[in-house]
Amino acid sequence: GAVVSQHPSWVICKSGTSVKIECRSLDFQATTMFWYRQFPKQSLMLMATSNEGSKATYEQGVEKDKFLINHASLTLSTLTVTSAHPEDSSFYICSAPSWANYGYTFGSGTRLTVV
Amino acid sequence: EDKVVQSPLSLVVHEGDTVTLNCSYEVTNFRSLLWYKQEKKAPTFLFMLTSSGIEKKSGRLSSILDKKELFSILNITATQTGDSAVYLCAVNSGGSNYKLTFGKGTLLTVNP
Repeated sequence: GAVVSQHPSWVICKSGTSVKIECRSLDFQATTMFWYRQFPKQSLMLMATSNEGSKATYEQGVEKDKFLINHASLTLSTLTVTSAHPEDSSFYICSAPSWANYGYTFGSGTRLTVV
Repeated sequence: EDKVVQSPLSLVVHEGDTVTLNCSYEVTNFRSLLWYKQEKKAPTFLFMLTSSGIEKKSGRLSSILDKKELFSILNITATQTGDSAVYLCAVNSGGSNYKLTFGKGTLLTVNP
């Protein structure tokens, strides 16, 4: 139980375009979703926390106009990387507090490559 | 600002060796410490520690927490090539939203 489905698992896009990543909780309600970014050989860095029905909270240094987060329902949170640049190429993972997995359920991640 | 520091950052061993990975932390309101194993994709949960001195064990892996000295260790005995991964330590520093602060991870490579 307590699965978070993340799509797509990988995506290649051109510079200047936008990419949307979805995280869906399949068997529980996720009122909160954490979005992380991980560069090669580095750790998970929290980008923002989304809360259903309210504005996301961004960590210091993360541009909210570039990384748009929407949490419109109790089972879906989305991250849109707008006007993507090659330096946005990274691994993006979502995580939701849940009753299973000792309190945290991770999505399977999205590898974004911007060319 | 909450901080989690892992050491070493990378480690190369031979199969059968025993390894110890370290994690120290400075957080304002400690709730729990978690260890994860990360291969290609999302982290896989290993242990959650909340109390000092109580060893958690799962097969060849074990972990313990020292809340006085603010650190935890993860031990892996009789390592296998399948143990090669990045091991992440994370601390939940309380608050209502269960936020985790991650360390940089230890890249473990186990050679045959």
